[in-house]
Amino acid sequence: NAGVTQTPKFQVLKTGQSMTLQCAQDMNHEYMSWYRQDPGMGLRLIHYSVGAGITDQGEVPNGYNVSRSTTEDFPLRLLSAAPSQTSVYFCASSAGRRNTGELFFGEGSRLTVL
Amino acid sequence: AQSVTQPDIHITVSEGASLELRCNYSYGATPYLFWYVQSPGQGLQLLLKYFSGDTLVQGIKGFEAEFKRSQSSFNLRKPSVHWSDAAEYFCAVEGLLTGGGNKLTFGTGTQLKVEL
Repeated sequence: NAGVTQTPKFQVLKTGQSMTLQCAQDMNHEYMSWYRQDPGMGLRLIHYSVGAGITDQGEVPNGYNVSRSTTEDFPLRLLSAAPSQTSVYFCASSAGRRNTGELFFGEGSRLTVL
Repeated sequence: AQSVTQPDIHITVSEGASLELRCNYSYGATPYLFWYVQSPGQGLQLLLKYFSGDTLVQGIKGFEAEFKRSQSSFNLRKPSVHWSDAAEYFCAVEGLLTGGGNKLTFGTGTQLKVEL
């Protein structure tokens, strides 16, 4: 049972480059989200989705784009990478309060922007 | 809006000693509360959660936490720490999103070091 799978695990970009972080879950969860983790700041919500075709912004959405064409996949796009986007990114999925609200996390994607 | 405070950035304990990590939350209704652990270079693993019922909840790896509404606290405890418990610990409170989903608001984490 894979759970939440993120790729790539590591990526180095130059300022201005674009890339997509992939996230897939096999638990048939309705809700998926992306967080970024920065030292001393915990995890902050970037974007989330409450179902296929429905996405919305979290606390720190600027510079990121998402889409959700299927229940399983929720990619995060960086359109023009900036050094401030150097971070560890976590994808999460949830069945919402039907499952006591627990979020299941991927192993993270460490991104460095030079 | 909900928030979580973890007042201790770093804690060092000796192996075999007891542990308490503090967490205070701000939330308007009855909260759903969580503790996650993150080992270096790894993702987040759920230790335990509280959503109703008994205010003392048991988790994995011998951890427990007590929900105290009057103090807005959800402190994590372990009677005897093992060297493998060295990690970063995050407290989180659930919030509801537009459309019915949920999110977690995390504290800034407590880094636990275990001395042998």
